[in-house]
Amino acid sequence: EAQLVESGGGLVQPGRSLRLSCAASTFTFHTYALHWVRRAPGKGLEWVSGITWNNGVIGYVDSVKGRFTISRDNAKNSLYLQMNSLRAEDTALYYCAKGVTVGAAFDIWGQGTMVTVSS
Amino acid sequence: SYEVTQPLSVSVALGQTARIPCGGYNIGTKSVHWYQQKPGQAPVLVIYRDNNRPSGIPERFSGSNSGNTATLTVSRAQAGDEADYFCQVWDSSPSVVFGGGTKLTVL
Repeated sequence: EAQLVESGGGLVQPGRSLRLSCAASTFTFHTYALHWVRRAPGKGLEWVSGITWNNGVIGYVDSVKGRFTISRDNAKNSLYLQMNSLRAEDTALYYCAKGVTVGAAFDIWGQGTMVTVSS
Repeated sequence: SYEVTQPLSVSVALGQTARIPCGGYNIGTKSVHWYQQKPGQAPVLVIYRDNNRPSGIPERFSGSNSGNTATLTVSRAQAGDEADYFCQVWDSSPSVVFGGGTKLTVL
């Protein structure tokens, strides 16, 4: 069964950085687009960023532009999210999710990694 | 940017039919995907491209999309269907837009 496993979350002070990772198994990782989606406490789902199979960045939500960078390493079956200049409003459970291509639904999700930004 | 709206909550009696709307300007011209999320669990895709069910999703879940409203229908609602439901579309940027989510309560 295809699986995504996130890691790298934790407690971090405002203004600091964190790098999230997402490891994939049992599917042809390098042929699919991947995304980061977050859910803040008491809020709904919010798409953060997406990347195509060949490292083309699909985009970022406005609130993270210039601070977050998405990347992937197909040789390592891994997706990353570099988060700089973190703010309290970035506190959320961060999920990685697989989509076939732009426009497609997200058919596989990881269990998420929690990021808490607080002093 | 494109926006989609959902009611905060929908209630349904056990065994009856729940309908969860997702509103957006001319949303009928877009593909709408639906996710179910239970507390402490990851989201699960229940409907893709308006009215298609992934493998393993019960036939009780169906979708429609026309005009300014897409709808997720849960027939013969069960206690296990209680969850947050989110609609999702792609806009032209491209970027991904989620509705605010609807909490389904089965009475």
